[in-house]
Amino acid sequence: DAGVTQSPTHLIKTRGQQVTLRCSPKSGHDTVSWYQQALGQGPQFIFQYYEEEERQRGNFPDRFSGHQFPNYSSELNVNALLLGDSALYLCASSLGQGLNQPQHFGDGTRLSIL
Amino acid sequence: DQQVKQNSPSLSVQEGRISILNCDYTNSMFDYFLWYKKYPAEGPTFLISISSIKDKNEDGRFTVFLNKSAKHLSLHIVPSQPGDSAVYFCAASEWVNYGQNFVFGPGTRLSVLP
Repeated sequence: DAGVTQSPTHLIKTRGQQVTLRCSPKSGHDTVSWYQQALGQGPQFIFQYYEEEERQRGNFPDRFSGHQFPNYSSELNVNALLLGDSALYLCASSLGQGLNQPQHFGDGTRLSIL
Repeated sequence: DQQVKQNSPSLSVQEGRISILNCDYTNSMFDYFLWYKKYPAEGPTFLISISSIKDKNEDGRFTVFLNKSAKHLSLHIVPSQPGDSAVYFCAASEWVNYGQNFVFGPGTRLSVLP
């Protein structure tokens, strides 16, 4: 039973560039959420996708955008990268809407901005 | 404004003793609470959860207690083992726009000493 997989594991970019991170949810899950985790902090919610639509969004600027594909996989795009975007980006998946369910996390993508 | 707080950044416990990790929240709309464990270079792993209609949930060595009136929950690990050494995140969720919105605390680093 495949868990949540994220790619790449590490990425180095420079200020002003754009980046795309990818996530495949746990088998059977249809909802994908993205989080940013800075050093020493808990995961901060970016947005959530269900049925290929952004359903909820945290307090992140429009430079952060995403997409969900028909197979439930998802991408996180960040434009005009800033030094402060350096963080661990986590993808979490869960099943459906309407029942309390835990989210399951991937191992993250470590993004470093130079 | 942190909606989920973990006021102890770190905790050290002797092997075999009880570990108690605490978490406080402010949003009365939260109705589902979770604990995650995170090792370095891995994503958070789901440990145990509790619905707001309960005050206790057990799973092996892990027990979560919820005090709704105090907006407080705790995770008890008995007996503690060296492999339990990790960062523990408390999370809470509420339903927003038909989706679960998860909010994480900043984490507590548990060290179990042999």
